[in-house]
Amino acid sequence: EDQVTQSPEALRLQEGESSSLNCSYTVSGLRGLFWYRQDPGKGPEFLFTLYSAGEEKEKERLKATLTKKESFLHITAPKPEDSATYLCAVQGGGSNYKLTFGKGTLLTVNP
Amino acid sequence: DGGITQSPKYLFRKEGQNVTLSCEQNLNHDAMYWYRQDPGQGLRLIYYSQIVNDFQKGDIAEGYSVSREKKESFPLTVTSAQKNPTAFYLCASHRRESPEAFFGQGTRLTVV
Repeated sequence: EDQVTQSPEALRLQEGESSSLNCSYTVSGLRGLFWYRQDPGKGPEFLFTLYSAGEEKEKERLKATLTKKESFLHITAPKPEDSATYLCAVQGGGSNYKLTFGKGTLLTVNP
Repeated sequence: DGGITQSPKYLFRKEGQNVTLSCEQNLNHDAMYWYRQDPGQGLRLIYYSQIVNDFQKGDIAEGYSVSREKKESFPLTVTSAQKNPTAFYLCASHRRESPEAFFGQGTRLTVV
């Protein structure tokens, strides 16, 4: 059974204070690892897909990296508008394209 | 504009009632999914469909039903058999050849 564990559960940063969120996973045949951002009361917004160990992707202040066991979402010089819950999900090698999600990390960036 | 539309945004259900949540997409996506989100838990898969007129149970299908009569539409019915239906429900879809799933804005269901 695919499993995803995100840490920390919550993270509070000062504006400009860089940090990283962790996503550890176990999956049978990784098809892809996904990062989403979710604002309160809204649906998740797609950020990145990573397919193989060593891959990196960037978008503005966010950078996602992938190893064989975990992924990191690095946030460089965050701003208050980066405050949200960040979700990690994996898609295994089965035929159903099912996503298995972690519980998320609630990021708060104070001005 | 292309996207996934869920309606209503808020829904209230009395004990013993069935309610249907709507999910429509105009992205020409093949696969559609229903997830449930509860506080402190990850999203959990209820049902999914990869083609019209075919769907499969996810991890928590008991008390729910779906249909897929059109490619664009994947409604979810929460039946009276679902003992704890209060939750945030999310619909997602993706193209067959691309695994990135895109989500609607959700429906918050409350039992009153």
